[in-house]
Amino acid sequence: NAGVTQTPKFQVLKTGQSMTLQCAQDMNHNSMYWYRQDPGMGLRLIYYSASEGTTDKGEVPNGYNVSRLNKREFSLRLESAAPSQTSVYFCASSEGPWKQYFGPGTRLTVT
Amino acid sequence: EDQVTQSPEALRLQEGESSSLNCSYTVSGLRGLFWYRQDPGKGPEFLFTLYSAGEEKEKERLKATLTKKESFLHITAPKPEDSATYLCAVQIMNRDDKIIFGKGTRLHILP
Repeated sequence: NAGVTQTPKFQVLKTGQSMTLQCAQDMNHNSMYWYRQDPGMGLRLIYYSASEGTTDKGEVPNGYNVSRLNKREFSLRLESAAPSQTSVYFCASSEGPWKQYFGPGTRLTVT
Repeated sequence: EDQVTQSPEALRLQEGESSSLNCSYTVSGLRGLFWYRQDPGKGPEFLFTLYSAGEEKEKERLKATLTKKESFLHITAPKPEDSATYLCAVQIMNRDDKIIFGKGTRLHILP
């Protein structure tokens, strides 16, 4: 039972490049989330998906897109990376609005 | 405006020196309050959920309590392995189960 997995673990991009962060969970959870964590800012919700086929904006969605590919997978895409998107990105899943299980994170640097 | 504030930002204790971390919240309606532990370079790990004022939960050296305005995470006789960042999160009722995280308290236990 791997829980929540994220790839890649580390990534360096140049301004304007695009990339997709992958997330998968094996707990059969309906809800999945993408957060970013910045020093002094805490965890901020980017997008979430309450069930397969639905996605909703969180607190800081600008510059990001998401896809809920199936019940297991939820990806986050940066179409044109900016230095302000340098952060640590966490994916999480939960069974409804209860406790969340987090992945190990992706450290992204945009130069 | 919905808000979650944690204090102190950082806390250094001697091994065995008990203390408390605070999480105060201002929300329109509380569905639940969560405590997480986060080790450096890892994703947050769930500790407790509290739902109503007066509720208490315990796990080893940790005890979480909840009032109508705040929650405390009491640490009794801490050990160096309790060093971590402790995050508080609040789930808001009737707001699509929106979750807001505090910025965390960095706890360092000195041997």
